[in-house]
Amino acid sequence: DTGVSQDPRHKITKRGQNVTFRCDPISEHNRLYWYRQTLGQGPEFLTYFQNEAQLEKSRLLSDRFSAERPKGSFSTLEIQRTEQGDSAMYLCASSLPAIQGLLAKNIQYFGAGTRLSVL
Amino acid sequence: AQSVTQLGSHVSVSEGALVLLRCNYSSSVPPYLFWYVQYPNQGLQLLLKYTTGATLVKGINGFEAEFKKSETSFHLTKPSAHMSDAAEYFCAVKENSGYALNFGKGTSLLVTP
Repeated sequence: DTGVSQDPRHKITKRGQNVTFRCDPISEHNRLYWYRQTLGQGPEFLTYFQNEAQLEKSRLLSDRFSAERPKGSFSTLEIQRTEQGDSAMYLCASSLPAIQGLLAKNIQYFGAGTRLSVL
Repeated sequence: AQSVTQLGSHVSVSEGALVLLRCNYSSSVPPYLFWYVQYPNQGLQLLLKYTTGATLVKGINGFEAEFKKSETSFHLTKPSAHMSDAAEYFCAVKENSGYALNFGKGTSLLVTP
């Protein structure tokens, strides 16, 4: 168990550029979540995958944000035409399948995050 | 919708003193509640969780929390603070009908010698 891995750890980009972040969940976890954390705030939920299906995406912040999990393993979060307001920490989390038990599926394990700075 | 409120954005305690971080929740159904800790430039680490059963929950690093339905609270305590406890602490509630965790704004714990 190597934990949730996120890459890159830091990204600096210019306004208007596109950025993509990668998340590798814990290997046996089929559920994957993306959150955004701005300075001085708690994480804010963005989207959720169960295997390759994106079951919740209405809380992505705008249509510039999109996420994929094509094979049900790693996931990517893309932000197009970045704006300075997109500067934040982007966190990924994963959790076990429901068949592992009600308690287990409610525990989300977080990665170290990708810190985005838009200049 | 389920939500949490953390009272006090900054808490300062002396090393060896009691740590008390406050969290109140809003939920129309029995909630699933969590405390996470975040060290600088790191992700969130689960400290403890309440789902069902015993209302006093013990977590890692000597922390515990008590679920009080009558007070809609889930305060985090530790009998004796250590310098290494200095970090940001987040209370969270799981949405009963969904998948998301709704986090509070966090409480920054400072431990002084």
